[in-house]
Amino acid sequence: DTAVSQTPKYLVTQMGNDKSIKCEQNLGHDTMYWYKQDSKKFLKIMFSYNNKELIINETVPNRFSPKSPDKAHLNLHINSLELGDSAVYFCASSQVAAGLRNTIYFGEGSWLTVV
Amino acid sequence: AQSVTQLDSHVSVSEGTPVLLRCNYSSSYSPSLFWYVQHPNKGLQLLLKYTSAATLVKGINGFEAEFKKSETSFHLTKPSAHMSDAAEYFCVVSDQSAASKLTFGTGTRLQVTL
Repeated sequence: DTAVSQTPKYLVTQMGNDKSIKCEQNLGHDTMYWYKQDSKKFLKIMFSYNNKELIINETVPNRFSPKSPDKAHLNLHINSLELGDSAVYFCASSQVAAGLRNTIYFGEGSWLTVV
Repeated sequence: AQSVTQLDSHVSVSEGTPVLLRCNYSSSYSPSLFWYVQHPNKGLQLLLKYTSAATLVKGINGFEAEFKKSETSFHLTKPSAHMSDAAEYFCVVSDQSAASKLTFGTGTRLQVTL
């Protein structure tokens, strides 16, 4: 069973389109994240939700809007896609309430290519 | 503030020889440290983590890392490389906030040759 699953794995779309990436975790964790990996493999956090509440929002353009309908889901919606949005987007989750030194588990990634 | 420096962007070893991937961290408190591995076109897999228990941490696939506070280092080692170890390795530090934000190093690409 996949612990953190995200769909789609690959997405090719044109500039200006709106797209969503979905993420679900079956670990019972209370915190979920979105990370972005650029073309140089550098990973940086974008958002974090704890119990459906936004707790981290790292200087991400307003075109990116995360939505957490419940603790097990954190979707990423991107409006007006730009070439520079091409990247790999990783969803992740952790159990923060259990203690601060917890482990973050990552999904397989979603490869977004904007043409 | 916290940061991580991976000293080598690329490491090449022969199969069967030892692996050393270097990582130095900066943190204003006692950090949590991790090594993650990413195989080509794959997601991130946790290799091991340090959370203030034993300073020598053993992980999966024969990897281990030693936390050295005096040197602010958390180097990853493996006695004998295997072809399947070829991948990108990330050293990561976690802050102590409830959000547990991870700060990634820039990665080290490990190449294993015959």
